[in-house]
Amino acid sequence: EVQLVESGGGVVRPGGSLRLSCAASGFTFDDYGMSWVRQAPGKGLEWVSGINWNGGSTGYADSVKGRFTISRDNAKNSLYLQMNSLRAEDTALYHCARSVSGYYDSSPMDVWGQGTTVTVS
Amino acid sequence: QLVLTQSPSASASLGASVKLTCTLSSGHSSYAIAWHQQQPEKGPRYLIKIHRDGSHTKGDGIPDRFSGSSSGAEHYLTISSLQSEDDADYFCQTWDTGIVVFGGGTKLTVL
Repeated sequence: EVQLVESGGGVVRPGGSLRLSCAASGFTFDDYGMSWVRQAPGKGLEWVSGINWNGGSTGYADSVKGRFTISRDNAKNSLYLQMNSLRAEDTALYHCARSVSGYYDSSPMDVWGQGTTVTVS
Repeated sequence: QLVLTQSPSASASLGASVKLTCTLSSGHSSYAIAWHQQQPEKGPRYLIKIHRDGSHTKGDGIPDRFSGSSSGAEHYLTISSLQSEDDADYFCQTWDTGIVVFGGGTKLTVL
């Protein structure tokens, strides 16, 4: 079964840091681009960051640029999001998502995780 | 700037059909998009990709009741024979070099 499971969420003070992880299973992880997408309470989806299949190219939303860093470990079938200088407006449910192709910015997302909650307060 | 615009809400009766719209910003009318469904308290689910030529490719296991089309800058998701489980939020998505963009979402109420 193709699956993405996020972890690492929690409550953190403004200015603090948190590292999210996403464990992938059921598919060849290094064939696919990956993204983090967040959803603030009662709001829509906001793309946060993406990374290509080999980690050679990354992208960030303007709202997180310079504070968040995306990375992946293909040997461990895992995706990460290092979040620094957290703000109240970063409070959200964070989903990891797989792209149809090896490039996060050239295809839709076709597999989603259930998400992990980050609360900055 | 690449932007997707969706109506905040829509409603239709059980068994009827509904057509949701996602509009691409000026200068981006040729872009492909995708549609995702999010049922209450669940993660999003990929439904369909609408290609630049208006053809579509559905995700695994997506029923035939879901179809996609486009006309110029407008992309559509049509759901026929509405069922109670179609009561959900629907988001469109597009992409360009270095970025991914979501529409604000449409909340569909099945009456």
